[in-house]
Amino acid sequence: TQLLEQSPQFLSIQEGENLTVYCNSSSVFSSLQWYRQEPGEGPVLLVTVVTGGEVKKLKRLTFQFGDARKDSSLHITAAQTGDTGLYLCAGAPGTYKYIFGTGTRLKVLA
Amino acid sequence: GAGVSQSPRYKVAKRGQDVALRCDPISGHVSLFWYQQALGQGPEFLTYFQNEAQLDKSGLPSDRFFAERPEGSVSTLKIQRTQQEDSAVYLCASSLARSISPLHFGNGTRLTVT
Repeated sequence: TQLLEQSPQFLSIQEGENLTVYCNSSSVFSSLQWYRQEPGEGPVLLVTVVTGGEVKKLKRLTFQFGDARKDSSLHITAAQTGDTGLYLCAGAPGTYKYIFGTGTRLKVLA
Repeated sequence: GAGVSQSPRYKVAKRGQDVALRCDPISGHVSLFWYQQALGQGPEFLTYFQNEAQLDKSGLPSDRFFAERPEGSVSTLKIQRTQQEDSAVYLCASSLARSISPLHFGNGTRLTVT
C-alpha cells in the first residue's frame, strides 16, 4: 500500500521546457527524499529534505518540502534529455525506513 | 569501494519452485532493506535489518517470503513455492546508520515466474 501519491504519473515534454512533479500524503514525515531511477538500475538519491518549508536546489532541480511535512514538489527548469527517468519520492514516517511514492515517469524529447 | 551488489540479475522460475536472491551491501553499512518493485511502480518495503537483527518484516506479503542476514553483512531473500504474482524486481538497499540516512540501492534482481 503506497502512502505517497505522485502526480503526474507520466510526463512527456520537449527539451527546454519546465516541469513540476508532486508528492502528496495524508501522513507526516520526519524527512523526505527524492530519487531518480533509470531502466535496469536501482534508484539513486537526489536530495533529502528534513525541515517543513525547506527548499533545496541541485543545479536545475528545485525541491520543496511542505510546511506540514506531508507533501513535496520537484521542479525542473529547462529540462534536458538526460533528465529522462523514473522520479520517486520517499517519506520516512518514523526513525528507520522510507516508504516510496507511486513514481513519475518523465520523458524529455530532443 | 564497490556499491551494493545483487545476484542473480535475472531469475526465471517455474511456478512452485523456491528461489534465493542475494544482496551484498556496502561494507560497514548497518542497515539493510529489501524492496519489491512492480513494473513502472515505486518500490514497496518488504523487510529491514539492523546488523543481523530483522527488526521489521511487516512488508513481507506472505509466509512464503523469508529473509536473513546471519552475520550482519550479506543478506538472502528466499521465496518458497513461487507464484506468478511474485514476478517483480527485488531491490536491496543499505545505509550507514541505524536511523534515517541515504539509501544505496543495488541494481535489483528481476524475477519472472512462469
